[in-house]
Amino acid sequence: GNSVTQMEGPVTLSEEAFLTINCTYTATGYPSLFWYVQYPGEGLQLLLKATKADDKGSNKGFEATYRKETTSFHLEKGSVQVSDSAVYFCALSKVGGNQFYFGTGTSLTVIP
Amino acid sequence: KAGVTQTPRYLIKTRGQQVTLSCSPISGHRSVSWYQQTPGQGLQFLFEYFSETQRNKGNFPGRFSGRQFSNSRSEMNVSTLELGDSALYLCASSSWTENYEQYFGPGTRLTVT
Repeated sequence: GNSVTQMEGPVTLSEEAFLTINCTYTATGYPSLFWYVQYPGEGLQLLLKATKADDKGSNKGFEATYRKETTSFHLEKGSVQVSDSAVYFCALSKVGGNQFYFGTGTSLTVIP
Repeated sequence: KAGVTQTPRYLIKTRGQQVTLSCSPISGHRSVSWYQQTPGQGLQFLFEYFSETQRNKGNFPGRFSGRQFSNSRSEMNVSTLELGDSALYLCASSSWTENYEQYFGPGTRLTVT
């Protein structure tokens, strides 16, 4: 079946620290992979995506590379800001379909 | 373009009642998906509608149902509410022309007392 496992939180970092949130997946075929971010009281916003192996998604200083050999899509940012405090969700979608599978979310708090 | 809208934003109901939530997708999007988000279970897929037909369904009891209208607006209904149905219900719309990238609404916060 399809599933996503992501690093449990919460994660607390100081401003300008390096961020990694691990995400691994199980899927049949070649899914598309996504990172979504949820700020308090809001819905989910797409942060970045990758649709095939070795693709790198990037946005707002965040990056993630689709690694088929390790079935991973780890989220990284070189220098976090207080405004990055949010919950981050890793997700996959079946090829040609529209059903998404989400990880449990990782809460990030960045302190000044 | 306008985003996904959900109404109402907040709702308080009593056990045993039923509730209907509404979602208006982004203009041109024909697919609407519904998710339940709770602290304990995370984001769980409820169902997806495309062109007024349910195309995918998650593992929820029959008390949870939905429908989609010809203008792609969607409603979900929960009958005989239980305390455990308290959650944030999120709607997402997508289009095959955008590789099914999902755009989420702000959610409806349902509290069952």
